Amino acid sequence: QKEVEQDPGPLSVPEGAIVSLNCTYSNSAFQYFMWYRQYSRKGPELLMYTYSSGNKEDGRFTAQVDKSSKYISLFIRDSQPSDSATYLCAMSAKGKSTFGDGTTLTVKP
Amino acid sequence: NAGVTQTPKFRVLKTGQSMTLLCAQDMNHEYMYWYRQDPGMGLRLIHYSVGEGTTAKGEVPDGYNVSRLKKQNFLLGLESAAPSQTSVYFCASSYSVSVFLGVPQPQHFGDGTRLSIL
Repeated sequence: QKEVEQDPGPLSVPEGAIVSLNCTYSNSAFQYFMWYRQYSRKGPELLMYTYSSGNKEDGRFTAQVDKSSKYISLFIRDSQPSDSATYLCAMSAKGKSTFGDGTTLTVKP
Repeated sequence: NAGVTQTPKFRVLKTGQSMTLLCAQDMNHEYMYWYRQDPGMGLRLIHYSVGEGTTAKGEVPDGYNVSRLKKQNFLLGLESAAPSQTSVYFCASSYSVSVFLGVPQPQHFGDGTRLSIL
């Protein structure tokens, strides 16, 4: 069993929709939680970073962490075609990160 | 500020050939990493380095070697390429955990090297 499981997708939504991307994990040692966005033929870029349970908001993006359930989510409000990308969750413990396999999102105009 | 630069961007090799992938970062990061990304398997850590002159094995190190002779550079070598090593290779770097009192730091990635082995 993988330490990090990510909803595989792909997801296709109309412009303006609310998108929910989700990951679960099994390693209680994970302390820090990140979301990366990866455009086609590019490297992942850090989107959001949090280290506590609860919500963290940045513009249209909200990262949610529930350590008791070992579950993290990324919500995208008012989704735009420019949000079309693969989203990777990542979790860190002892200096190393473990990544989910990614969810590919397409936002249709 | 270039961030993390990977060269080459594309390469086609024949089975048994050798090559070196170069990663350079200009952010004075202590930690550097090499990953491979394959469809349905996400990012898998090959090797990493926590400082100049040090390297360590990751999740999938077999068939690869690395060197970190300078803080800003991290080289990934394939001594005898195999078709199973066809992949997209990503280099990443980050600040060290110790600088931030144990808080892991997010990684900054290059744009990848697409390697095909025939």
